Amino acid sequence: GQQLNQSPQSMFIQEGEDVSMNCTSSSIFNTWLWYKQDPGEGPVLLIALYKAGELTSNGRLTAQFGITRKDSFLNISASIPSDVGIYFCAGPGNYGQNFVFGPGTRLSVLP
Amino acid sequence: EPEVTQTPSHQVTQMGQEVILRCVPISNHLYFYWYRQILGQKVEFLVSFYNNEISEKSEIFDDQFSVERPDGSNFTLKIRSTKLEDSAMYFCASSGDRGYFDEQFFGPGTRLTVL
Repeated sequence: GQQLNQSPQSMFIQEGEDVSMNCTSSSIFNTWLWYKQDPGEGPVLLIALYKAGELTSNGRLTAQFGITRKDSFLNISASIPSDVGIYFCAGPGNYGQNFVFGPGTRLSVLP
Repeated sequence: EPEVTQTPSHQVTQMGQEVILRCVPISNHLYFYWYRQILGQKVEFLVSFYNNEISEKSEIFDDQFSVERPDGSNFTLKIRSTKLEDSAMYFCASSGDRGYFDEQFFGPGTRLTVL
């Protein structure tokens, strides 16, 4: 089945720094989603990508759908403390009505 | 802003007991989902539900699990005889009429602890 890998697994950055993380899949995806999960809460959708090469922004967040359709990138500019959390990428799963999630990138922002 | 709600927020149960986790999806949504997340691991799909029946389920969703939409608002996940390895966060999600092409809104989750 589809497998997603995310890197890095975790990262510690200073407040104000830019962040970049990526997600790769074992198969081609037609949709990429980026979610953020705060401790003890459910995932919240940040950005959805539907076309290869697409670059989409949401405030300080920018995500790109890779040309090969097997990867995606998420960038956060000028990080702030509330950016702390786990960032998951997701794409359509084997079952047609669900998403498969990556293992996540844990982001810590130091003041 | 409409949101998915889940109750209880935390459920503790003895191994072998039945539990029912409850969700109220967003009112005009048509697709409903259950996912689980074992502590420190990724979110895993369990089941999707549309038009009052299961549309897809994963290998995790075995005969111990069942889902129901008993009325127009609630969506429940029942685990018939809980096992220790069922301990996890269970997230309900719902989406609109484009199925998974629509954004799936997640609830805050129910933490299930099986002793």
